Amino acid sequence: NAGVTQTPKFRVLKTGQSMTLLCAQDMNHEYMYWYRQDPGMGLRLIHYSVGEGTTAKGEVPDGYNVSRLKKQNFLLGLESAAPSQTSVYFCASSPRQGWDTQYFGPGTRLTVL
Amino acid sequence: AQKVTQAQTEISVVEKEDVTLDCVYETRDTTYYLFWYKQPPSGELVFLIRRNSFDEQNEISGRYSWNFQKSTSSFNFTITASQVVDSAVYFCALSDPTSGYSTLTFGKGTMLLVSP
Repeated sequence: NAGVTQTPKFRVLKTGQSMTLLCAQDMNHEYMYWYRQDPGMGLRLIHYSVGEGTTAKGEVPDGYNVSRLKKQNFLLGLESAAPSQTSVYFCASSPRQGWDTQYFGPGTRLTVL
Repeated sequence: AQKVTQAQTEISVVEKEDVTLDCVYETRDTTYYLFWYKQPPSGELVFLIRRNSFDEQNEISGRYSWNFQKSTSSFNFTITASQVVDSAVYFCALSDPTSGYSTLTFGKGTMLLVSP
């Protein structure tokens, strides 16, 4: 099992460009999450999904959109990137409720110039 | 409101020293779950432990131990005889009832530096 994978690992964007980050998990987990990690801020939840076809906002959803068309995939979109979105993005999944263990992907380092 | 406080931003120790990482939480719930995750320099987050609010027994796993005290709303993590490989950022997290327990609230993390 690959666990949780993220594509791409690194990306540099110019302000105003768009991109999509892909998260895939092969553990048949119901719950999936997108976080961003900034120095001194810990992990902050952007959006999450409690099952295929569902999405919900987290703590810092502005400027991002998500989709969960297939159970194994969770996409994070930036429609018009801003320098404030420079961050490391982590995807995670968990089998059942949020109180269950979350398994994290390796992260995507995004720089917006 | 949910809150997890890791007051120690950075801790430096010399190998073989014992070190305790503090975690203090705030919640109105009587049922909740607490977690510790490790983020080594490679960047990936690794699950260490999950503890529910009904189980106050301390847990030991090798050189790692956890002290859960509901009376002080703390869930502290101790590494005995630290090693260089323990150098990492450690996060404490709390289940969030406002999302139907679908999400976690993370502390800001404590960076542990273990020097030889």
